[in-house]
Amino acid sequence: EAQVTQNPRYLITVTGKKLTVTCSQNMNHEYMSWYRQDPGLGLRQIYYSMNVEVTDKGDVPEGYKVSRKEKRNFPLILESPSPNQTSLYFCASSPLGTGFEAFFGQGTRLTVV
Amino acid sequence: RKEVEQDPGPFNVPEGATVAFNCTYSNSASQSFFWYRQDCRKEPKLLMSVYSSGNEDGRFTAQLNRASQYISLLIRDSKLSDSATYLCVVKPSGDYKLSFGAGTTVTVRA
Repeated sequence: EAQVTQNPRYLITVTGKKLTVTCSQNMNHEYMSWYRQDPGLGLRQIYYSMNVEVTDKGDVPEGYKVSRKEKRNFPLILESPSPNQTSLYFCASSPLGTGFEAFFGQGTRLTVV
Repeated sequence: RKEVEQDPGPFNVPEGATVAFNCTYSNSASQSFFWYRQDCRKEPKLLMSVYSSGNEDGRFTAQLNRASQYISLLIRDSKLSDSATYLCVVKPSGDYKLSFGAGTTVTVRA
């Protein structure tokens, strides 16, 4: 089954404790991205990657890091989480070219206390 | 000004009714347009792409008005299962970055 898998689905952590949210897709898509969704603001792009070893900042990259060592994986790293990073996070992948439909993971609900 | 703006609603309609709502976008270089559906903070899923000539998919009709920079979604014969948040998504020409609206919530009541 074609899918994007994020883990964990729910996470409560404390300020300053490094964490990683994993994202993996099995559709051989070149493009992957991370979004955060906050009430009234819609999805905002954090980082994106056009291919292996190619990553770039989205609209709200501060406080986040990513890596793309393999085509299928695109982890999101919070080196020192803060309460303002409490949010719902989605990973997505898309094939480059016509259409460009985005396939989303199930989301990670992160709370930083 | 936000790149993509939507009326948040909610639109509360009875089963069988028709509901329609718009989305405006600010970047005139926008090339591709989509409607996504999101159920109760679950992941967004593509509902339909929006083509220049307008297009239908069953009970759903999408229209694009480039001159006024808006797209619309019309749902006919609403079902309870249509209750969701509908996200307007815009992709500019020459770029792969998607811009999302904050969503329009539709609630269909029995």
